[in-house]
Amino acid sequence: SSELTQDPAVSVALGQTVRITCQGDSLRTYYTGWYQQKPGQAPLLVLYGYNNRPAGIPDRFSGSSSGDTASLIITGAQAEDEADYYCNSRDTSGTHYVFGPGTAVTVL
Amino acid sequence: QVQLQESGPGLLKPPETLSLTCSVSGDSIKTFLWSWIRQPPGKGLEWLGHIYSSGTTNYNSSLKSRTTLSMDTSKNQFSLKMTSLSVADTAVYYCARLVSSYGYFDYWGPGVMVTVSS
Repeated sequence: SSELTQDPAVSVALGQTVRITCQGDSLRTYYTGWYQQKPGQAPLLVLYGYNNRPAGIPDRFSGSSSGDTASLIITGAQAEDEADYYCNSRDTSGTHYVFGPGTAVTVL
Repeated sequence: QVQLQESGPGLLKPPETLSLTCSVSGDSIKTFLWSWIRQPPGKGLEWLGHIYSSGTTNYNSSLKSRTTLSMDTSKNQFSLKMTSLSVADTAVYYCARLVSSYGYFDYWGPGVMVTVSS
């Protein structure tokens, strides 16, 4: 079982905003990474730290964090944003790394 | 641009040993930490471990007894060895660069599918 929890699936209408959450005790202490994975592809880092985007990631991807919960927010979701999204952080010991179980995002 | 590429056998039998290599270009493996992550079909991601150029390693506790990471700085490659394979080890295996200050994986290889079947 994962030390991080995520909703299994969410849906969003085209052009609307969706929030994907990741919950875990370690998030009170350690940063979160967010990854987008499309079928047959490797995960792609879309957000790291509290709200940092790697080069080339659209600014419709943003993040927030409060207590034991981190969020990835897609503002103005596009069809190409339909994918699985995973969060990661350190575990509560701080020595190992864990991933959330993933959230499947459907753009309607 | 940093690029990673996994290589290794795609089909193994229980209880054989898996050996995978990750070739890195665009960066020296003497910097950062380098990780292996796997994903069983239809399931989520699992961190297996990471290695630093000093030889320091860190492993997922549930797999530590079967997993060994090593590094060849002259070839800019790092490797994964996993012993006593079972069908439960069937997965796509990814290598990735770990930015430990933030705890995220910024560059990933395309992955290699490893099937364990008798």
